[in-house]
Amino acid sequence: GIQVEQSPPDLILQEGANSTLRCNFSDSVNNLQWFHQNPWGQLINLFYIPSGTKQNGRLSATTVATERYSLLYISSSQTTDSGVYFCAVEDRGSTLGRLYFGRGTQLTVWP
Amino acid sequence: GAGVSQSPRYKVAKRGQDVALRCDPISGHVSLFWYQQALGQGPEFLTYFQNEAQLDKSGLPSDRFFAERPEGSVSTLKIQRTQQEDSAVYLCASSPRASGNTIYFGEGSWLTVV
Repeated sequence: GIQVEQSPPDLILQEGANSTLRCNFSDSVNNLQWFHQNPWGQLINLFYIPSGTKQNGRLSATTVATERYSLLYISSSQTTDSGVYFCAVEDRGSTLGRLYFGRGTQLTVWP
Repeated sequence: GAGVSQSPRYKVAKRGQDVALRCDPISGHVSLFWYQQALGQGPEFLTYFQNEAQLDKSGLPSDRFFAERPEGSVSTLKIQRTQQEDSAVYLCASSPRASGNTIYFGEGSWLTVV
């Protein structure tokens, strides 16, 4: 299956700082989603972004499909942003919607 | 309901016991997925349903794992003769249709086998 690599694996920030999380993938994709996993384990959708750029409040994401990477930007980070951020992709050859996940970036924001 | 609902949220099973995990997807969603997430890892695909048809079960780790969605809505993941390595979070997800769609996850069922 398609390989997904996320970096950095861990990120520690002070409140108010900005950060960039990266996702590289090994093949063309139908679907790319960014998720935030909260402390209770639920995966919260942040963006559905197989290509292009989207913004939602302090978060934005860009996917450059031709170069097989996506970036998640978090500006003016808050303690509530802490958690694990996952990138997940669907192989372009797939017709079933199966997602392949990276290992995540563990973000800790200190007050 | 408004989101994907899973039960039980937490389950402790003795080794060798059978468990059943339930998923209630978003109403009207055709696609339903089960994923397994071990501690410190990303979720890994187990199986996929389109309505009541199980179209992909390639991720099920052994024949002790069985999933069904008999009426195309609620799904059950059953694990027979649980073993310690089955301890994980089991996540259910649904989507309006198959490919190229936003996929929505439930809160997961945390299984601990002792």
